[in-house]
Amino acid sequence: GAVVSQHPSWVICKSGTSVKIECRSLDFQATTMFWYRQFPKQSLMLMATSNEGSKATYEQGVEKDKFLINHASLTLSTLTVTSAHPEDSSFYICSASSGLGTGHTDTQYFGPGTRLTVL
Amino acid sequence: AQKVTQAQTEISVVEKEDVTLDCVYETRDTTYYLFWYKQPPSGELVFLIRRNSFDEQNEISGRYSWNFQKSTSSFNFTITASQVVDSAVYFCAPRDSGAGSYQLTFGKGTKLSVIP
Repeated sequence: GAVVSQHPSWVICKSGTSVKIECRSLDFQATTMFWYRQFPKQSLMLMATSNEGSKATYEQGVEKDKFLINHASLTLSTLTVTSAHPEDSSFYICSASSGLGTGHTDTQYFGPGTRLTVL
Repeated sequence: AQKVTQAQTEISVVEKEDVTLDCVYETRDTTYYLFWYKQPPSGELVFLIRRNSFDEQNEISGRYSWNFQKSTSSFNFTITASQVVDSAVYFCAPRDSGAGSYQLTFGKGTKLSVIP
């Protein structure tokens, strides 16, 4: 149980294009989903927290207009990198939690990540 | 707010050796949660354990064990009889207990290399 998928697993795009990454909880309902960014050999940096049906909460320094997050259902959240540039190249990881706060249900389960390369 | 220190950046051990990964955290909460995740070279973070701050019993799961010392704010992770498949980056991550606050604070991670 507690499987999270991400699609695509990797993507290469030209500078100026937009890229959409999907995060799905396959066997549980995710009230809360998180988006992280990870640079090589570094830790995870939280970008935003999204609750189903609500606007995402972005961390300080993360551009809302550049990283569009939609959490329209309890099993799907999307991250769209708009007008991508080479500095946006990174490993993007999502996680999902049922967010009930009891037992293990608030545990974040992570997707396999998406490697974005912007040329 | 949480802060976590994983002082060991990289560790190398020979297969079958035991290894302990250190984690020291800071928190102003009286109740909180602690997590360990494993990130193998494939990149996916694998959940290993979740621990409540009010449960100070140590835990063992197969070759894995965790030593929680609330008095010293440490939550160390030991792998017994290490195997090559244990090679990965391991992250310790505390979490606030506040309602609706499910954010994790990740340490910098410890890269474990198990040499055959």
